[in-house]
Amino acid sequence: DQQVKQNSPSLSVQEGRISILNCDYTNSMFDYFLWYKKYPAEGPTFLISISSIKDKNEDGRFTVFLNKSAKHLSLHIVPSQPGDSAVYFCAASRLQGGKLIFGQGTELSVKP
Amino acid sequence: KAGVTQTPRYLIKTRGQQVTLSCSPISGHRSVSWYQQTPGQGLQFLFEYFSETQRNKGNFPGRFSGRQFSNSRSEMNVSTLELGDSALYLCASSSQTGINTEAFFGQGTRLTVV
Repeated sequence: DQQVKQNSPSLSVQEGRISILNCDYTNSMFDYFLWYKKYPAEGPTFLISISSIKDKNEDGRFTVFLNKSAKHLSLHIVPSQPGDSAVYFCAASRLQGGKLIFGQGTELSVKP
Repeated sequence: KAGVTQTPRYLIKTRGQQVTLSCSPISGHRSVSWYQQTPGQGLQFLFEYFSETQRNKGNFPGRFSGRQFSNSRSEMNVSTLELGDSALYLCASSSQTGINTEAFFGQGTRLTVV
């Protein structure tokens, strides 16, 4: 039972344009959501998070949107840069626990 | 501040053997979690330790076990290794205080079972 889903295994975007990565979840008990970026043979790097009391959180070029009624979140990267090329994972948790449930990841390729 | 340190980085073991992986969390972090990453299954939660107690557990067989020491360092043990245990094992630490529960990951241990 995949509680967190990233339905797009890959995404290709032109440099300077917007990248939109999507994530859906099924468990309404999740109240904290995170995005991680991962390069091959390295551990995931934390990017940005959002709690369920918000619907938007912004940090520089990265913005995460949360739609609780649709159980959907998205990560916007604008403008996209070639260095953003990596696998992006969304993850969900409950505030009081250290257990993260990850999606399958979306491989982003930003072309010059 | 030093990041999460995992040792060793690479390991090759044969079927039936056991292995112990080590994780040193960020100083001050009391929560340590372990994850297994495989190409087909993505990142799967193994277990979490907080103040030397296992607080959460994923759906892995009993061959996978862990522990946490008083200095928050953690070890993960896999006994009777199987070929399917070949994976990148990732450790993450977090402070688990307030609402900021971001987990910070180490570089992982690449385990190959032959």
